[in-house]
Amino acid sequence: DSGVTQTPKHLITATGQRVTLRCSPRSGDLSVYWYQQSLDQGLQFLIQYYNGEERAKGNILERFSAQQFPDLHSELNLSSLELGDSALYFCASSPKGVMSYEQYFGPGTRLTVT
Amino acid sequence: QKEVEQDPGPLSVPEGAIVSLNCTYSNSAFQYFMWYRQYSRKGPELLMYTYSSGNKEDGRFTAQVDKSSKYISLFIRDSQPSDSATYLCAMSPDLYGGFQKLVFGTGTRLLVSP
Repeated sequence: DSGVTQTPKHLITATGQRVTLRCSPRSGDLSVYWYQQSLDQGLQFLIQYYNGEERAKGNILERFSAQQFPDLHSELNLSSLELGDSALYFCASSPKGVMSYEQYFGPGTRLTVT
Repeated sequence: QKEVEQDPGPLSVPEGAIVSLNCTYSNSAFQYFMWYRQYSRKGPELLMYTYSSGNKEDGRFTAQVDKSSKYISLFIRDSQPSDSATYLCAMSPDLYGGFQKLVFGTGTRLLVSP
Protein backbone atom coordinates (compact mmCIF):
# COMPACT_ATOMS: atom_id res chain seq x y z
CA ASP A 1 0.00 0.00 0.00
CA SER A 2 1.56 3.28 -1.17
CA GLY A 3 -0.42 5.48 1.22
CA VAL A 4 -2.07 7.36 -1.66
CA THR A 5 -5.83 6.94 -1.80
CA GLN A 6 -8.13 7.51 -4.75
CA THR A 7 -11.90 7.51 -4.99
CA PRO A 8 -13.94 6.17 -6.57
CA LYS A 9 -12.35 2.91 -7.74
CA HIS A 10 -14.70 2.59 -10.68
CA LEU A 11 -16.85 5.10 -12.49
CA ILE A 12 -19.25 4.46 -15.34
CA THR A 13 -20.85 7.44 -17.02
CA ALA A 14 -22.26 8.58 -20.33
CA THR A 15 -20.79 10.77 -23.03
CA GLY A 16 -21.18 14.47 -22.39
CA GLN A 17 -21.21 14.08 -18.62
CA ARG A 18 -18.84 15.51 -16.01
CA VAL A 19 -17.05 13.58 -13.28
CA THR A 20 -14.71 14.37 -10.41
CA LEU A 21 -11.92 12.08 -9.30
CA ARG A 22 -10.42 12.52 -5.87
CA CYS A 23 -6.93 11.87 -4.54
CA SER A 24 -5.44 12.05 -1.07
CA PRO A 25 -1.62 12.08 -1.08
CA ARG A 26 0.63 10.35 1.43
CA SER A 27 0.88 12.16 4.72
CA GLY A 28 3.35 15.01 4.39
CA ASP A 29 3.68 14.88 0.60
CA LEU A 30 3.16 18.30 -0.97
CA SER A 31 3.25 17.30 -4.65
CA VAL A 32 0.41 15.60 -6.45
CA TYR A 33 0.58 14.32 -10.03
CA TRP A 34 -2.24 13.10 -12.25
CA TYR A 35 -1.75 10.50 -14.98
CA GLN A 36 -3.98 8.85 -17.55
CA GLN A 37 -3.28 5.24 -18.56
CA SER A 38 -4.82 3.74 -21.66
CA LEU A 39 -3.90 0.59 -23.56
CA ASP A 40 -2.63 2.36 -26.66
CA GLN A 41 -0.99 5.43 -25.10
CA GLY A 42 0.43 4.01 -21.92
CA LEU A 43 0.85 6.23 -18.88
CA GLN A 44 0.55 9.92 -19.78
CA PHE A 45 1.37 12.77 -17.42
CA LEU A 46 -1.52 15.22 -17.13
CA ILE A 47 -0.76 17.82 -14.50
CA GLN A 48 1.14 18.46 -11.26
CA TYR A 49 0.35 20.53 -8.19
CA TYR A 50 2.72 21.52 -5.45
CA ASN A 51 1.34 22.84 -2.18
CA GLY A 52 -1.79 24.12 -3.82
CA GLU A 53 -0.22 25.64 -6.93
CA GLU A 54 -0.14 24.27 -10.45
CA ARG A 55 3.49 23.54 -11.34
CA ALA A 56 3.56 21.57 -14.58
CA LYS A 57 1.21 20.60 -17.35
CA GLY A 58 1.45 17.65 -19.65
CA ASN A 59 -0.99 16.30 -22.21
CA ILE A 60 -4.07 17.56 -20.43
CA LEU A 61 -7.12 18.41 -22.51
CA GLU A 62 -8.91 21.73 -22.04
CA ARG A 63 -11.99 19.76 -20.95
CA PHE A 64 -9.99 18.53 -17.95
CA SER A 65 -9.02 20.59 -14.94
CA ALA A 66 -7.58 19.93 -11.53
CA GLN A 67 -6.96 21.63 -8.23
CA GLN A 68 -5.23 20.97 -4.96
CA PHE A 69 -6.92 22.07 -1.76
CA PRO A 70 -5.39 23.49 1.46
CA ASP A 71 -5.53 20.04 3.07
CA LEU A 72 -3.44 18.85 0.05
CA HIS A 73 -6.03 16.52 -1.41
CA SER A 74 -6.56 16.97 -5.13
CA GLU A 75 -9.44 16.63 -7.53
CA LEU A 76 -9.38 16.00 -11.27
CA ASN A 77 -12.46 17.22 -13.10
CA LEU A 78 -13.32 15.72 -16.47
CA SER A 79 -16.11 17.34 -18.46
CA SER A 80 -17.91 16.83 -21.79
CA LEU A 81 -16.73 13.24 -21.61
CA GLU A 82 -16.03 11.31 -24.78
CA LEU A 83 -15.66 7.57 -25.37
CA GLY A 84 -11.91 8.07 -25.76
CA ASP A 85 -11.64 9.37 -22.20
CA SER A 86 -12.22 5.85 -20.90
CA ALA A 87 -9.00 4.96 -19.10
CA LEU A 88 -7.36 4.43 -15.76
CA TYR A 89 -6.57 7.67 -13.96
CA PHE A 90 -3.78 7.58 -11.43
CA CYS A 91 -2.75 10.06 -8.83
CA ALA A 92 0.77 10.05 -7.43
CA SER A 93 2.43 12.03 -4.68
CA SER A 94 6.04 12.74 -3.89
CA PRO A 95 7.88 13.85 -0.77
CA LYS A 96 10.68 15.81 -2.29
CA GLY A 97 10.74 19.21 -3.83
CA VAL A 98 8.70 20.57 -6.64
CA MET A 99 9.30 17.78 -9.13
CA SER A 100 10.57 14.36 -8.20
CA TYR A 101 11.26 11.00 -9.78
CA GLU A 102 10.23 9.41 -6.47
CA GLN A 103 6.50 9.21 -7.01
CA TYR A 104 4.08 7.00 -5.08
CA PHE A 105 1.03 5.97 -7.05
CA GLY A 106 -2.49 5.37 -5.83
CA PRO A 107 -4.61 2.40 -6.94
CA GLY A 108 -6.28 4.38 -9.70
CA THR A 109 -9.82 5.17 -10.80
CA ARG A 110 -11.15 3.20 -13.75
CA LEU A 111 -13.37 5.46 -15.84
CA THR A 112 -15.69 3.96 -18.41
CA VAL A 113 -17.57 6.33 -20.72
CA THR A 114 -20.49 4.72 -22.56
CA GLN B 1 7.29 8.11 -33.31
CA LYS B 2 7.01 7.82 -29.55
CA GLU B 3 9.74 9.28 -27.37
CA VAL B 4 10.03 6.00 -25.47
CA GLU B 5 9.54 2.58 -27.05
CA GLN B 6 8.97 -0.60 -25.10
CA ASP B 7 7.99 -4.07 -26.34
CA PRO B 8 4.57 -4.86 -24.84
CA GLY B 9 5.25 -8.59 -24.56
CA PRO B 10 4.05 -10.73 -22.94
CA LEU B 11 7.43 -12.18 -22.04
CA SER B 12 7.01 -15.68 -20.61
CA VAL B 13 9.87 -17.32 -18.69
CA PRO B 14 10.23 -20.23 -16.27
CA GLU B 15 10.96 -19.61 -12.61
CA GLY B 16 14.66 -19.03 -11.99
CA ALA B 17 15.37 -17.54 -15.41
CA ILE B 18 17.24 -14.30 -15.99
CA VAL B 19 14.89 -11.72 -17.46
CA SER B 20 15.94 -8.80 -19.64
CA LEU B 21 13.54 -5.91 -20.14
CA ASN B 22 14.44 -3.04 -22.43
CA CYS B 23 13.46 0.41 -23.60
CA THR B 24 14.76 2.65 -26.34
CA TYR B 25 14.30 6.38 -26.47
CA SER B 26 14.81 9.21 -28.90
CA ASN B 27 15.24 12.29 -26.71
CA SER B 28 18.93 12.79 -25.95
CA ALA B 29 17.98 15.22 -23.15
CA PHE B 30 16.77 12.35 -20.94
CA GLN B 31 19.01 12.06 -17.89
CA TYR B 32 16.84 10.38 -15.24
CA PHE B 33 15.85 6.76 -15.86
CA MET B 34 13.44 4.73 -13.79
CA TRP B 35 11.77 1.35 -13.75
CA TYR B 36 8.32 0.90 -12.28
CA ARG B 37 6.49 -2.37 -11.61
CA GLN B 38 2.73 -2.52 -11.97
CA TYR B 39 0.70 -5.47 -10.75
CA SER B 40 -2.72 -6.06 -12.23
CA ARG B 41 -5.29 -3.60 -10.92
CA LYS B 42 -2.67 -1.67 -8.97
CA GLY B 43 -0.76 1.56 -9.42
CA PRO B 44 2.89 1.55 -10.56
CA GLU B 45 5.57 1.29 -7.87
CA LEU B 46 9.11 2.59 -8.25
CA LEU B 47 11.67 -0.23 -8.50
CA MET B 48 14.89 1.47 -9.46
CA TYR B 49 16.23 4.85 -10.39
CA THR B 50 19.41 5.79 -12.28
CA TYR B 51 20.80 9.19 -13.10
CA SER B 52 22.72 9.46 -16.39
CA SER B 53 24.71 6.41 -17.52
CA GLY B 54 25.92 3.29 -15.80
CA ASN B 55 24.66 0.35 -13.82
CA LYS B 56 22.81 0.08 -10.56
CA GLU B 57 22.11 -3.10 -8.62
CA ASP B 58 19.50 -3.74 -5.96
CA GLY B 59 19.11 -7.34 -4.87
CA ARG B 60 17.97 -9.40 -7.84
CA PHE B 61 17.46 -6.31 -9.99
CA THR B 62 20.07 -4.52 -12.12
CA ALA B 63 19.38 -1.40 -14.16
CA GLN B 64 21.66 -0.40 -17.03
CA VAL B 65 21.71 2.80 -19.04
CA ASP B 66 23.56 3.19 -22.34
CA LYS B 67 23.08 6.78 -23.37
CA SER B 68 25.21 6.43 -26.50
CA SER B 69 22.71 3.89 -27.82
CA LYS B 70 19.69 5.52 -26.14
CA TYR B 71 18.90 2.15 -24.58
CA ILE B 72 18.07 1.12 -21.03
CA SER B 73 17.65 -2.33 -19.53
CA LEU B 74 16.35 -3.98 -16.40
CA PHE B 75 17.68 -7.42 -15.53
CA ILE B 76 15.94 -9.68 -13.05
CA ARG B 77 17.96 -12.62 -11.73
CA ASP B 78 16.41 -15.79 -10.33
CA SER B 79 12.96 -14.67 -11.45
CA GLN B 80 10.02 -15.65 -9.25
CA PRO B 81 6.30 -16.05 -10.02
CA SER B 82 5.77 -12.99 -7.80
CA ASP B 83 7.73 -10.98 -10.39
CA SER B 84 4.86 -11.47 -12.84
CA ALA B 85 3.71 -7.93 -13.56
CA THR B 86 3.98 -5.17 -16.13
CA TYR B 87 7.29 -3.31 -16.07
CA LEU B 88 7.27 0.31 -17.15
CA CYS B 89 10.35 2.29 -17.98
CA ALA B 90 10.21 6.01 -17.37
CA MET B 91 12.58 8.84 -18.04
CA SER B 92 12.92 12.56 -17.70
CA PRO B 93 15.12 15.29 -19.07
CA ASP B 94 17.31 17.32 -16.78
CA LEU B 95 16.46 20.82 -17.85
CA TYR B 96 17.80 23.83 -15.99
CA GLY B 97 19.45 21.51 -13.45
CA GLY B 98 16.23 19.95 -12.26
CA PHE B 99 13.99 16.98 -12.78
CA GLN B 100 11.12 17.43 -15.23
CA LYS B 101 8.04 15.43 -16.07
CA LEU B 102 8.20 11.67 -16.46
CA VAL B 103 7.75 10.08 -19.90
CA PHE B 104 6.70 6.45 -19.63
CA GLY B 105 7.01 3.50 -21.96
CA THR B 106 3.85 1.50 -22.56
CA GLY B 107 5.13 -1.36 -20.41
CA THR B 108 6.24 -4.97 -20.91
CA ARG B 109 4.10 -7.70 -19.40
CA LEU B 110 6.21 -10.39 -17.72
CA LEU B 111 4.88 -13.84 -16.85
CA VAL B 112 7.04 -16.12 -14.68
CA SER B 113 5.74 -19.67 -14.52
CA PRO B 114 6.49 -21.99 -11.56
